[in-house]
Amino acid sequence: QVQLVQSGAEVKKAGSSVKVSCKASGGTFTTYSISWVRQAPGQGLEWMGRIIPAAGLANYAQRFQDRVTITADQSTTTSYMEVTSLRSDDTAMYFCARDRGYRYGFDSWGQGTLVIVSS
Amino acid sequence: SYVLTQTPSVSGAPGKTARITCGGENIGSKSVHWYQQKPGQAPVLVISDDSDRPSGIPERFSGSNSGNTATLTISRVEAGDEADYYCQVWDSNIDHMVFGGGTKLTVL
Repeated sequence: QVQLVQSGAEVKKAGSSVKVSCKASGGTFTTYSISWVRQAPGQGLEWMGRIIPAAGLANYAQRFQDRVTITADQSTTTSYMEVTSLRSDDTAMYFCARDRGYRYGFDSWGQGTLVIVSS
Repeated sequence: SYVLTQTPSVSGAPGKTARITCGGENIGSKSVHWYQQKPGQAPVLVISDDSDRPSGIPERFSGSNSGNTATLTISRVEAGDEADYYCQVWDSNIDHMVFGGGTKLTVL
């Protein structure tokens, strides 16, 4: 069973950047994708994008394409999600999840990382 | 992009059956996944590929998908089932995953 452990909560100033990590253990990192999901306070789940670690290829939801970068380091089995030019409405919980493809759903999730953006 | 529509709230009495629906154009042709999320916790996959139950998920949870509606059915509802439930599909046109807006299940 894959376990995903995310980095701790962050408090950032508007206009700065944040980078959240997601370390995978217990599986083969190159056999699945890592997706990132955002949840604003009191709101639903929103898919941000995914990376295929084996290929280093990422794709993004359109609304995140300009300010979000998702990467993966095979040597440390860690994925990273960076948001630049932070705004107050980026305040949210950010989750990583194992993504085995369109027929399987996200079967393992990180515990979530709270990012608070202050003005 | 593809849109999934969920009723914001559903209630169910203990021991009865609760049904949560997810609407989308021709959703019956897609693989639908369902997640349960309790307050302060990460989501948990409860149904994948329309009707497959991951290991550890009670048999009380089942799924179906046809036409323009997918349904998550929770039989013999328990107090511990109170949570938000989200459906999800892959939008093949743009290679994006899409979530429904979520349904809050309240156990009466």
